Amino acid sequence: QKEVEQNSGPLSVPEGAIASLNCTYSDRGSQSFFWYRQYSGKSPELIMSIYSNGDKEDGRFTAQLNKASQYVSLLIRDSQPSDSATYLCAVTRSNNNDMRFGAGTRLTVKP
Amino acid sequence: SAVISQKPSRDICQRGTSLTIQCQVDSQVTMMFWYRQQPGQSLTLIATANQGSEATYESGFVIDKFPISRPNLTFSTLTVSNMSPEDSSIYLCSVEPGANTGELFFGEGSRLTVL
Repeated sequence: QKEVEQNSGPLSVPEGAIASLNCTYSDRGSQSFFWYRQYSGKSPELIMSIYSNGDKEDGRFTAQLNKASQYVSLLIRDSQPSDSATYLCAVTRSNNNDMRFGAGTRLTVKP
Repeated sequence: SAVISQKPSRDICQRGTSLTIQCQVDSQVTMMFWYRQQPGQSLTLIATANQGSEATYESGFVIDKFPISRPNLTFSTLTVSNMSPEDSSIYLCSVEPGANTGELFFGEGSRLTVL
């Protein structure tokens, strides 16, 4: 079992729709959870972090965490073509600070 | 946040040679991380570099192949030694400016192609 699993996609949504990206992790003791966006040919950039169960909203982005289910998701409301990118889920392990990344979900927002 | 400069941004190398990638940060950071991203893949942690001590390598990565230096709190280098085509990848330096936040910031990456 991979430490961090994501549906590789591609996920395609029309402009203005909600994009839902999902991630599961194997280490039950994981403490911190992150979503990174990576445009083609660019390095990842942090867009959301979440540390406790529930929802965290930042503009059009909402991260959701359920530690009991070992599940974290990212919702993008009112999706824009500029949101087209690969979204990487990342989790810090419980025994140290290094981060493990999922394989990423490629999102395409069609005008 | 942090501004991270990596160089070279890209290079084409011959099999059997070595290349050193440099990473410069605009602020002092305790830990610097080196990741590899192979084509179409996600990021794999190579090693964690702390100033004043030897780097900590992840399973599958060894110091002889990927020697790392960390001479001060703003700079690190990663060398890819005795390269083969399988080493063709993007190598990324990253830092965690906020202590214990887990929030990483990345350099622009170094794209290596080994012929």
